[in-house]
Amino acid sequence: EVQLVESGGGLVQPGGSLRLSCATSGFTFNDHFMDWVRQAPGKGLEWVGRIAPRSNSYTTFYSASVRGRFTISRDDSQNSLFLQMNSLETEDTAVYYCAMSPRGRGPCEHWGQGTLVTVSS
Amino acid sequence: DIQLTQSPSSLSASVGDRVTITCRASQGIGYALAWFQQKPGRAPKSLIYAASSLQNGVPSKFSGSGSGTDFTLTISSLQPEDFATYYCQHYTDYPFTFGGGTEVELK
Repeated sequence: EVQLVESGGGLVQPGGSLRLSCATSGFTFNDHFMDWVRQAPGKGLEWVGRIAPRSNSYTTFYSASVRGRFTISRDDSQNSLFLQMNSLETEDTAVYYCAMSPRGRGPCEHWGQGTLVTVSS
Repeated sequence: DIQLTQSPSSLSASVGDRVTITCRASQGIGYALAWFQQKPGRAPKSLIYAASSLQNGVPSKFSGSGSGTDFTLTISSLQPEDFATYYCQHYTDYPFTFGGGTEVELK
């Protein structure tokens, strides 16, 4: 069974940093594209970014709203995905989901339960 | 960036109703469209990929159609468990984007 478990959320001040983790199991992690998607309170889904597997050179892609501030990385030896968030803004307050695409560069079909990040002074 | 516009943003329906949600892309995306269902406090659930392919385990009352710029999600006979918010997402070029969502409420 595919499992994705996010952690690392919490309260952080504007301008601060936070690192989210996503522990995975139940599939061959190093073969798959992985995404981060977020959802601000009461709002819709927003795609944050993606990291390709080693076979695609670990290439990363980001939305314009986070490019230059957020960095996605992965540790295939630990079956884990990460999101380093710097220069956080109040608009970054959201539940952050990690998700896995089982079909190459297709959409993500397996999702974690999410972790809440609150940016506030 | 490709924009996705869903309509309506919300709808009220009764159990047994046939419901159709539309998703329009700002430029052609072929068949690279997925649909998700989300209930309050829960992670999104994948329903459909490649515009019309049903995910394993998703009941056949859900169906998707369309290509290019215009897509639809249809629920043939609405059941109590189907009251939720539905999102489309394209995956043709980065950045991937979601539609704004359609909330399906009980009339």
